[in-house]
Order: sequence, then structure tokens, then C-alpha cells
Amino acid sequence: DAGVTQSPTHLIKTRGQQVTLRCSPKSGHDTVSWYQQALGQGPQFIFQYYEEEERQRGNFPDRFSGHQFPNYSSELNVNALLLGDSALYLCASSLWQTVRKPQHFGDGTRLSIL
Amino acid sequence: TQLLEQSPQFLSIQEGENLTVYCNSSSVFSSLQWYRQEPGEGPVLLVTVVTGGEVKKLKRLTFQFGDARKDSSLHITAAQPGDTGLYLCAGVGNAGNMLTFGGGTRLMVKP
Repeated sequence: DAGVTQSPTHLIKTRGQQVTLRCSPKSGHDTVSWYQQALGQGPQFIFQYYEEEERQRGNFPDRFSGHQFPNYSSELNVNALLLGDSALYLCASSLWQTVRKPQHFGDGTRLSIL
Repeated sequence: TQLLEQSPQFLSIQEGENLTVYCNSSSVFSSLQWYRQEPGEGPVLLVTVVTGGEVKKLKRLTFQFGDARKDSSLHITAAQPGDTGLYLCAGVGNAGNMLTFGGGTRLMVKP
């Protein structure tokens, strides 16, 4: 039973470029959440997708956008990259509105902006 | 905005010592989770506490949820080098299952 998988594992971009990160949820899960973890800090919630719609959003600019596909996989897009976007981007999957069921995290994509 | 503050940020102890990590907020959460994260990996859930005053034990780890559901603590007894890692607390809000994470406590246990 595959867990949450993210690709790529590492990525290097330059300022102003655009990037797309991908996430496949754990089998049986229908909800995908994205988090940004800056070096030495805890993860910060970006947004959550269910039924191909953004359901909740954290305090991130609209340069951050996402998409969920019918097979529940998801993409995170970041436009006009800034140096401060350098971070580990984590994807977590779960079942919608099952608060007491754990979210499962992938190992993340390490994004470096030069 | 709900915020969670963890303390201490860093902890370096000798094998066999005890330690406590604190997670505090001014907001009430429906539940609180503790995660451990290893370098290069995603956070892995250790425990979820739901009821105010709840205490859960996981081998040498003891987790407590405050009576008002605003704070929590993690106590490790007789720490071992294998306990080394980043410990994160995360509050689960009342709307959906969005997690609000604390800043983390980086623990190093020296043999």
C-alpha cells in the first residue's frame, strides 16, 4: 500500500521562474493539503483540495495555486518565484472531514531558489 | 489567526535524561497532534489528543492535553539517541482538518 508520494524530490529554480510540484495521495484518501516548511521552522498550511476544489487556504499570496485531478492527485504551482520561496514543500493526504483520522505526509520536495 | 508556540526550540541532553517539550496557544483546538520529523522526511504522527486533560502514553513518551484544550506537553523518560529528531505539535481547527503547527523542538540525545 503506497503512501503519499511527491515529485520531484529536489528542484533548483531561479527568481522569477515558475514551478509545479506533484503529489499522489495515499490509497483510499480523497483530500490533499499542501504545507511549506522553511528551514528550521514548522510547516505552514498553504491550501487544501477536495473534490477538485480549493476548500481552505492559509495566508499565502495568489502566486501559490493548485489543482486536484479526478484521481485525487494534486499539483502545487508557484509563479514569479522569490528567494523566500526556498523551502521544503510537504503534501499530506487524508479523508475529507475525518478530523480524528491522521493525515499522512509525503517526504516533500526541497525547492531551492537561486 | 491561531498560533502555537513550542518551547524549547533546541534541546541537547545526555542519554538517560528526562525532558519535557511544551506547546502553548491562546486558541482552543478540537484536538492536538504530535509529530516527529527526521531529516529528509515528512512528519510522522505520534499521537492525537482530543479531550481536555487527556493523557496518552507511547512507551517512554507521555503526552498531555491541557484542560482548556489550548496547550499540550510531551515528556520523554530516559531519552535514547534514537529519540533524536524534530518534534512538532499541531493543532486541528474546528473547520476541516487544517493543521496549525508549532515551530518545532529540535532534540539531540547524545550517547
